[in-house]
Amino acid sequence: DTEVTQTPKHLVMGMTNKKSLKCEQHMGHRAMYWYKQKAKKPPELMFVYSYEKLSINESVPSRFSPECPNSSLLNLHLHALQPEDSALYLCASSRSRPNEQFFGPGTRLTVL
Amino acid sequence: GIQVEQSPPDLILQEGANSTLRCNFSDSVNNLQWFHQNPWGQLINLFYIPSGTKQNGRLSATTVATERYSLLYISSSQTTDSGVYFCAVDNYGQNFVFGPGTRLSVLP
Repeated sequence: DTEVTQTPKHLVMGMTNKKSLKCEQHMGHRAMYWYKQKAKKPPELMFVYSYEKLSINESVPSRFSPECPNSSLLNLHLHALQPEDSALYLCASSRSRPNEQFFGPGTRLTVL
Repeated sequence: GIQVEQSPPDLILQEGANSTLRCNFSDSVNNLQWFHQNPWGQLINLFYIPSGTKQNGRLSATTVATERYSLLYISSSQTTDSGVYFCAVDNYGQNFVFGPGTRLSVLP
């Protein structure tokens, strides 16, 4: 299995809502990543987990809260988002850091 | 932090043509990947190539780490090759940085 899955595919939420994005891989990878991609821009790294520990937080606002319950699963909890947070959120995994990264299909988030 | 540049920013080709995409980076890297992002947003791995040359069908890539650049060659292009091509580099575990991308359109 060489796949990274992400749910949901699309999400629309209001600024007062709380929602979560989910990412899963079964490749035995020990590093997992969240990226944010705005339209016509490259992906930007938000968080990196290595062996279930947060190792990089690229100064992301606290309204984004990552969680890595186990080595296969990565969540991104969203609370009090702003319309400018609307973007494609991509999850990736790699065997370790640094190493070849494999990306999921993304969650397209719209904040109203 | 490390800077990544890609050229050209946009490229329009007729089906069957060949092309070369370039990625320049400002510092030593220990990981370099080329991706194709399709119209639905999926990032597809093309090459993991911190150095050397690799080939996969109509695509090949070369990274010259000492001169801080990588090239992606696309031969006999097809309409399905359209999309955005990104190179991304890892600066010894400090970060994984994407270049701005090359937007390729292949016309039938």
